[in-house]
Amino acid sequence: EPEVTQTPSHQVTQMGQEVILRCVPISNHLYFYWYRQILGQKVEFLVSFYNNEISEKSEIFDDQFSVERPDGSNFTLKIRSTKLEDSAMYFCASNIPRLNTYEQYFGPGTRLTVT
Amino acid sequence: AQTVTQSQPEMSVQEAETVTLSCTYDTSESDYYLFWYKQPPSRQMILVIRQEAYKQQNATENRFSVNFQKAAKSFSLKISDSQLGDAAMYFCAYRRSDNYGQNFVFGPGTRLSVLP
Repeated sequence: EPEVTQTPSHQVTQMGQEVILRCVPISNHLYFYWYRQILGQKVEFLVSFYNNEISEKSEIFDDQFSVERPDGSNFTLKIRSTKLEDSAMYFCASNIPRLNTYEQYFGPGTRLTVT
Repeated sequence: AQTVTQSQPEMSVQEAETVTLSCTYDTSESDYYLFWYKQPPSRQMILVIRQEAYKQQNATENRFSVNFQKAAKSFSLKISDSQLGDAAMYFCAYRRSDNYGQNFVFGPGTRLSVLP
C-alpha cells in the first residue's frame, strides 16, 4: 500500500540555522499538509498546499516558514531561522479528492530538535 | 473556529476488556467529518475510524466502533477486546466537508494503557 514518507527521521540543528524537512506524498494525491506536534501536546495544523500554492495556513505559519513542491514529487517545509520553540515532531500528510473519504494519510514524522 | 476536546488525558484497560474514549467538539457547521487517529510510540499517525456527520449509523471497524451523537456533538470511541497493541495516544479529529483540502483540527489526545 502506498504511503507518505518523510526525511530525515530526526534532525538536530542549532538555533538560527535553516532547516528543510522533506516529504514525498502518495503519488496521485493532490492536497498536501504540514502539521506539528510539540512534545506532549496536540497535533497542530501549519499549512495546506494545493495546485502549487498555499490554500490555507495557521497563525503558527509565520514568515519564518515556507513550503514548496519543487519537482512534482517532493513537498518541503523550510524554517529559515530556527528557534528553540520550533523543536517538535513535524508531520506531512496528503489526500486525494475522493467522494466521502476525507481522511488524510500521514507520514511517520520528522523529529526536529533545535539546540 | 472549531475546537475538539478530549477530557480524559489518560485511560487504562485490562487486556480483553472494553474501553471508551470520549471526544466532544464545537462547530456551527452541519456537515463535517470526524476521525480517530492512533499514535503508537513510533509516533506514526494511523487512522482508526471515521464518521460522516450526515450518516446516522455509527461507524465500526472490527473491534473499534464509535458512538456519534450529533446533537450533543459527541464522538466517543469504543475499543472492544483490548489488545496490548492498542496501547497508544488516541486523537480525535474534525474536519469540515466544504472542500477537499480542509485541514484537520485535533483534540489534545488520550493516552491509553493496556494492562496484561
